[in-house]
Amino acid sequence: KAGVTQTPRYLIKTRGQQVTLSCSPISGHRSVSWYQQTPGQGLQFLFEYFSETQRNKGNFPGRFSGRQFSNSRSEMNVSTLELGDSALYLCASSSSVPRTEAFFGQGTRLTVV
Amino acid sequence: KNEVEQSPQNLTAQEGEFITINCSYSVGISALHWLQQHPGGGIVSLFMLSSGKKKHGRLIATINIQEKHSSLHITASHPRDSAVYICAVTLSNTDKLIFGTGTRLQVFP
Repeated sequence: KAGVTQTPRYLIKTRGQQVTLSCSPISGHRSVSWYQQTPGQGLQFLFEYFSETQRNKGNFPGRFSGRQFSNSRSEMNVSTLELGDSALYLCASSSSVPRTEAFFGQGTRLTVV
Repeated sequence: KNEVEQSPQNLTAQEGEFITINCSYSVGISALHWLQQHPGGGIVSLFMLSSGKKKHGRLIATINIQEKHSSLHITASHPRDSAVYICAVTLSNTDKLIFGTGTRLQVFP
């Protein structure tokens, strides 16, 4: 079974630009969650999608958004990038029925210059 | 106060030593996870627990639901165990994970 795939692995963007990150979950997993990891804040929850619906959202500004497609693949978008958005963005997939452990992708390292 | 607290923050050990990392939480959970992160960022799920104890090779994880406490033990530690170990909890009725700040473990030969 293929693991969780995140693309791209590395990205450099300029302040003010927008970026879209992609996550393909493990086949059969319908829950996809996104996390931001920075040296200062550690791992923080961004949002969770299940069957194309956002079930939970973390405390991030509206510049951070996401969506999930019918094949469970998910994208997150960050608009008007700020230097502080530089981080490792991780997605994790799980099967909610029955509830399984979270399987993480390798992450997308975003650098905003 | 963080909802998930880990200790210690940093840990150094000599190869072969027995290691314990602790995690306490203050929220209602449906599961507790122990994760391993190596330099470069990739996270691997080591255990998911909702009760009792689990063992995988040299790794043992325990959870005490009443005391809201979990421990990760590494027996016969090895330099390849050097990594950041993260405790995370799944909040009840969601798939939302809340993370501890991690324990950076270095095992020296």
